[in-house]
Amino acid sequence: GQNIDQPTEMTATEGAIVQINCTYQTSGFNGLFWYQQHAGEAPTFLSYNVLDGLEEKGRFSSFLSRSKGYSYLLLKELQMKDSASYLCAVPSGNTPLVFGKGTRLSVIA
Amino acid sequence: DTGVSQDPRHKITKRGQNVTFRCDPISEHNRLYWYRQTLGQGPEFLTYFQNEAQLEKSRLLSDRFSAERPKGSFSTLEIQRTEQGDSAMYLCASSQMGGTEAFFGQGTRLTVV
Repeated sequence: GQNIDQPTEMTATEGAIVQINCTYQTSGFNGLFWYQQHAGEAPTFLSYNVLDGLEEKGRFSSFLSRSKGYSYLLLKELQMKDSASYLCAVPSGNTPLVFGKGTRLSVIA
Repeated sequence: DTGVSQDPRHKITKRGQNVTFRCDPISEHNRLYWYRQTLGQGPEFLTYFQNEAQLEKSRLLSDRFSAERPKGSFSTLEIQRTEQGDSAMYLCASSQMGGTEAFFGQGTRLTVV
């Protein structure tokens, strides 16, 4: 089976850094995905980690520790447009992507 | 190619009616996925296809739900005898086999009254 946990909501200030954590349990590991979803829109791909360590992509970075079943998404220099839900997802068994409930991030001035 | 396309974008139906949604994936993608999402939740897996073969179906999916992908291109998702609990956003996504990224469509929002 699989279980994915993320905080439900977070608030951060424009220009700041925020870290969104995700813990997972899965039978067999085939990588971890982060998606961004603005209200009323489709999820869009942010990152994919299959090896331990930090992957940096502009203002967004994603970290993975397979031994701890843990990942985080790091957002730097926050902008108002970063207000969205951030979804952690893992493939598990025959299911291509199992999503967590998502973390709703609010960026305030 | 403009990405994954879903039709209709919105559907209001009366309880007990049947509804059918369509998804057109990105043309070179051979994998196609259906998800359901309710407010405040992440997308919930329903089923997926590789070409025309349906490879996996969620155990949570009742037998009122059926999906097809007859020619390995577009797919349809049908819900029979709709219930109020079926009200949700139905998302379709596609990817290349062996690819790491799934691209989502804008979804079909179903409201059962």
